[in-house]
Amino acid sequence: EVQLVESGGGLVKAGGSLRLSCAASTFTLSTYNMNWVRQAPGKGLEWVSSISRSSSFIFYADTLKGRFTISRDNAKNSLYLQMDSLTAEDTAVYYCTRSPAGYCTSNSCQNWFDLWGQGTLVTVSS
Amino acid sequence: EIVLTQSPGTLSLSPGERATLSCRASQSVSSSYLAWYQQKPGQAPRLLIYGASSRATGIPDRFSGSGSGTDFTLTISRLEPEDLAVYHCQQYGTSPLTFGGGTKVEIK
Repeated sequence: EVQLVESGGGLVKAGGSLRLSCAASTFTLSTYNMNWVRQAPGKGLEWVSSISRSSSFIFYADTLKGRFTISRDNAKNSLYLQMDSLTAEDTAVYYCTRSPAGYCTSNSCQNWFDLWGQGTLVTVSS
Repeated sequence: EIVLTQSPGTLSLSPGERATLSCRASQSVSSSYLAWYQQKPGQAPRLLIYGASSRATGIPDRFSGSGSGTDFTLTISRLEPEDLAVYHCQQYGTSPLTFGGGTKVEIK
């Protein structure tokens, strides 16, 4: 089955760090742009970050202020999100998402999301 | 940043009825780069529509998307009980990628 499986979420204290992982199953990650999208409890969806196929282009939501780092290891068919200096406002379910046919320029990746993982919950205690 | 406003906030209809969901952008969405997602309770979102009107693989033809510029619509022609969900629109023409606040569809 084609799927994305996230891991690494959990409870962390404000100011702490977490590293999320996303494993791709039965498809080759390297042929897709990849992204992280989050959803705070009872709230809407918020784009977090995107990375192009070869990691040439990387983009973040301005609200993250340089605290998060997206990366990928195509050899391991995996995507990552390093989250530092966490605050209570980062509490959310984090989804790994795949983007088909979207392309990237130096300004943006024009990505929509055709496959979503089940999500991993990150809870930041203050 | 392009702000997407979805209306109504909640839509309550009976099975078989037609549902019309609106997504209005604060500025023109380039090349109709707009997608719609369905999120059922306790589940991850699922892609329904991309490019404003192209149905994703496996999506029933009772779901259709239309619109351009700043006004987009998702139509569910004949509601079924399993369509109970929150529907989100997303624009991907301009950075940052943004989502609307969602429309909740309730089944009477």
